[in-house]
Amino acid sequence: EVQLVESGGGLVKPGGSLRLSCAASGFTFSSYSMNWVRQAPGKGLEWVSSISSSSSYIYYADSVKGRFTISRDNAKNSLYLQMNSLRAEDTAVYYCASTGRSVGASWFDPWGQGTLVTVSS
Amino acid sequence: QSVLTQPPSVSGAPGQRVTISCTGSSSNIGAGYDVHWYQQLPGTAPKLLIYGNSNRPSGVPDRFSGSKSGTSASLAISGLQAEDEADYYCQSYDSSLSVYVVFGGGTKLTVL
Repeated sequence: EVQLVESGGGLVKPGGSLRLSCAASGFTFSSYSMNWVRQAPGKGLEWVSSISSSSSYIYYADSVKGRFTISRDNAKNSLYLQMNSLRAEDTAVYYCASTGRSVGASWFDPWGQGTLVTVSS
Repeated sequence: QSVLTQPPSVSGAPGQRVTISCTGSSSNIGAGYDVHWYQQLPGTAPKLLIYGNSNRPSGVPDRFSGSKSGTSASLAISGLQAEDEADYYCQSYDSSLSVYVVFGGGTKLTVL
């Protein structure tokens, strides 16, 4: 079964740091781009960052550029998001999602269950 | 504001057909990028519903269909059922310098 499981969320003070992890199983993790998408409470989906299969290409939303760092460890089938200088507006459920496992895919499937990050003093 | 524009809400009675629009621009949908749709049931993670403008993943009922034309795309749901009540999001890519992946703001479907 293809599965993504996020961890590492929690309560952090403004200006603090947090590292999210996403463990993948059931597919050849090293072959596919991976992504982080977040959803603030009661709001819509917001793309955060994407990383190619070999980490050669990395993209960030302007809202997190310079503060967040995406990375992956293909040997451990894991995706990470290092979040620094956190702000209240970063409060959200963070989902990891695989780019579709077909040639030329640009959709996200599957998604993890999400991990909640709360930035508050 | 989201780069892709969706109506905040739509509604329909059981058995009816509803459509949800997703309007973009020449830097995303109009540039030829595919549009994908996700369904998010209350309290759950988004789930892929339509990929590549009009393709359904295995397990998605054929009541759901997608289309794309010019700078817009649409999701149609026919034979509405109570379990279709959810939030729906469109997604594409954007060739402008400031964004890469773009989502619509989401549409809440209410089954009356």
